[in-house]
Amino acid sequence: EPEVTQTPSHQVTQMGQEVILRCVPISNHLYFYWYRQILGQKVEFLVSFYNNEISEKSEIFDDQFSVERPDGSNFTLKIRSTKLEDSAMYFCASRADAGTSQPQHFGDGTRLSIL
Amino acid sequence: SQQGEEDPQALSIQEGENATMNCSYKTSINNLQWYRQNSGRGLVHLILIRSNEREKHSGRLRVTLDTSKKSSSLLITASRAADTASYFCATEGTNDYKLSFGAGTTVTVRA
Repeated sequence: EPEVTQTPSHQVTQMGQEVILRCVPISNHLYFYWYRQILGQKVEFLVSFYNNEISEKSEIFDDQFSVERPDGSNFTLKIRSTKLEDSAMYFCASRADAGTSQPQHFGDGTRLSIL
Repeated sequence: SQQGEEDPQALSIQEGENATMNCSYKTSINNLQWYRQNSGRGLVHLILIRSNEREKHSGRLRVTLDTSKKSSSLLITASRAADTASYFCATEGTNDYKLSFGAGTTVTVRA
């Protein structure tokens, strides 16, 4: 069964450094998402992406964050200058189309640890 | 916010018993989805129920949705040790496709 893949599984970065999290959504899916889950807390929406542009973003997704779909298969999340509070599990998800019966399929996540 | 809120927060049952968890939300939805998360792992999609559906089954899973009460339940029948995980409900709003997650129910199935 097709799945969303994320790399790396664990990223350790010094505060202030840039980090890029990578995702390969399910082929032929049209909607892409990033979520994050701080340890012990709820999964939170960050951003949705459709037709090569951001369709919605949350308050968390400030100027330090950006997303890109550079080559038609990868979907990346960049954090420009990481902060301690960016430590979390980051999940990528994709959705086939806009129908009301389409689930979002999640990857296994990238655990980001900021030192 | 239309976030789902689950209860109970934690549930411990014997293998073979049924596990029931509930989810409440606040605003109109397109659908409600249930996910499972094993410790430190990703979110596995279990079942989606649309706003015009009242009940749905998938294997040992049964989901109900009551839009008048803005609530849903997930029943796992004949539980197994492998069902030990956290279970989350997530609602998809009518104006967007983002998911709003609840805090989850941690289920422990004792052998």
